[in-house]
Amino acid sequence: EIVLTQSPDTLSLSPGERATLSCRASQSVSSSYLAWYQQKPGQAPRLLIYGASSRATGIPDRFSGSGSGTDFTLTISRLEPEDFAVYYCQQFGSSPKITFGQGTRLEIK
Amino acid sequence: EVQLVESGGGLVQPGGSLRLSCAASGFSFSSYAMTWVRQAPGKGLEWVSVISGGGGSTYDADSVKGRFTISRDNSKNTLYLQMNSLRAEDTAVYYCAKSRCSTSCYTFDYWGQGSLVTVSS
Repeated sequence: EIVLTQSPDTLSLSPGERATLSCRASQSVSSSYLAWYQQKPGQAPRLLIYGASSRATGIPDRFSGSGSGTDFTLTISRLEPEDFAVYYCQQFGSSPKITFGQGTRLEIK
Repeated sequence: EVQLVESGGGLVQPGGSLRLSCAASGFSFSSYAMTWVRQAPGKGLEWVSVISGGGGSTYDADSVKGRFTISRDNSKNTLYLQMNSLRAEDTAVYYCAKSRCSTSCYTFDYWGQGSLVTVSS
């Protein structure tokens, strides 16, 4: 099973700043199979990025994804107040085995 | 508009059973894989089970294998999760979600609001 480790666990930033969230896999992941989600308290997750770098429908262009192999990054270029939430990366492999990272909490500084 | 509405959650004793349902609308249900993902109180997301669009292929997380069964009725546009031999650690909000694309794709673009399952005596 591929384990996804996200860092940091908590990121404290101010609106307008740039956020960089990391997701590291225990073994190589196809870029096509790596996604990022946002979850706000009391809400279901929302798909942000699929295929490591493609934005889902309706996602603002301040969100971008990059990476390959075992290292992936979600970048939020200029934080808006509504961006403070928990972010999860997710991968699926053969079988398929689907795994999520433990999450990064993005909080207002 | 895509809608996923879960039902069937509640309080159940350890060792008991429960069946969750997820009613889907707004898309061609039989064309997409569907999944269940759970979230224990204050914890992260955990994938539970996934089923192909036609229902012929299912896959489960090791933590629920042999106890939970995912199924679907494409004539009713409904996804199910039969949960048996429930344990305290199964306590969570259970989300159903739709696969983003119709072939060999397991990222999820629409999610239900969640159904809380509490396993306690």
